[in-house]
Amino acid sequence: NAGVMQNPRHLVRRRGQEARLRCSPMKGHSHVYWYRQLPEEGLKFMVYLQKENIIDESGMPKERFSAEFPKEGPSILRIQQVVRGDSAAYFCAGGTGGETQYFGPGTRLLVL
Amino acid sequence: KQEVTQIPAALSVPEGENLVLNCSFTDSAIYNLQWFRQDPGKGLTSLLLIQSSQREQTSGRLNASLDKSSGRSTLYIAASQPGDSATYLCAVPATGANSKLTFGKGITLSVRP
Repeated sequence: NAGVMQNPRHLVRRRGQEARLRCSPMKGHSHVYWYRQLPEEGLKFMVYLQKENIIDESGMPKERFSAEFPKEGPSILRIQQVVRGDSAAYFCAGGTGGETQYFGPGTRLLVL
Repeated sequence: KQEVTQIPAALSVPEGENLVLNCSFTDSAIYNLQWFRQDPGKGLTSLLLIQSSQREQTSGRLNASLDKSSGRSTLYIAASQPGDSATYLCAVPATGANSKLTFGKGITLSVRP
């Protein structure tokens, strides 16, 4: 996962607050995938983005969650009005659209 | 819908033992299969990627095999070491190569000194 940056690495929010998670893929990688790992669960796909476009958001909860990957800057996963059930590790992976995804170290979100 | 299963969820072995980690998937029309390692509190490290046309891949003490027809893959670890202790996940792309990955829940391996 060298080169893929996620920040913050740890994030604490109170119920009702907003959480913003950032992912900077490796240079030259224009594809980003977001995954969520709930406690005792495997990683679940959330959303797949290419620069300025959402390709597949079939894993995103219908409400409160949104993602973007602007032309400039990192990809952002935004969670509005967080609830305790949102506590999880959120991983992003970058790539060129080929078969290899390079994973970041993750952001651990804790909702109090 | 593709489902990936890894059983058992946890495994403890003495150092030096050769071991096999299993992964099964329901839809055999996969493009490839990947094995990852995850250390506690860390991200994922790709260990091996097997193309659908391949039967196995090797990297050092690791050997991964793939049997598409039976929907199975195994990760063989030779001469296990305490440093191999981690969670091992297998994953397959949902459709095609450049697509979302479906993961198993992982096998948490503990290698006792």
